[in-house]
Amino acid sequence: IAGITQAPTSQILAAGRRMTLRCTQDMRHNAMYWYRQDLGLGLRLIHYSNTAGTTGKGEVPDGYSVSRANTDDFPLTLASAVPSQTSVYFCASSDSRLGELFFGEGSRLTVL
Amino acid sequence: DAKTTQPPSMDCAEGRAANLPCNHSTISGNEYVYWYRQIHSQGPQYIIHGLKNNETNEMASLIITEDRKSSTLILPHATLRDTAVYYCIVIRGDSWGKLQFGAGTQVVVTP
Repeated sequence: IAGITQAPTSQILAAGRRMTLRCTQDMRHNAMYWYRQDLGLGLRLIHYSNTAGTTGKGEVPDGYSVSRANTDDFPLTLASAVPSQTSVYFCASSDSRLGELFFGEGSRLTVL
Repeated sequence: DAKTTQPPSMDCAEGRAANLPCNHSTISGNEYVYWYRQIHSQGPQYIIHGLKNNETNEMASLIITEDRKSSTLILPHATLRDTAVYYCIVIRGDSWGKLQFGAGTQVVVTP
């Protein structure tokens, strides 16, 4: 049973570099989400996708882009990483009929 | 979406019931109460949600007051594995993916 798979688990990145965090789900959920978690700020929604082919902005979308070419994959791209993007990133998915989110185990990103 | 207020921390003895309160006095009629928890370094885990009726599943029970301004999550028999941060979130039924996590309650279950 896989559920949500995120990669990489951890990454150290130089500022200015491009980085893509991968997220794959095998539950055939229509909706997917990216959150970041920072100490003292809780989890904040970056981008979401209600269905394949559509995306939307969350609370903190600046500096990030996403795509949803198919149901299973929802990559998050940092075009030019900055130190303030150092965080733990969580991908999640949901079946709109059930009303609950399933989260991955997170990707810890450090931008130096 | 309505804001929630939770105590920052609470302790619970193993095997006893843990009762986690949440205030959401500005909740609207179309907003649900959701509970998630996050065990250290793991992704958040859904626990339960409800609109106005009490709910129970294999993990917990959710008691919502009649005026819906507060709720209580009950873990009937706490175990050490229940040590986690518990988040109470109020959100519209059509926006359950766009969760707004607050600070939550750090629950520590002790032997």
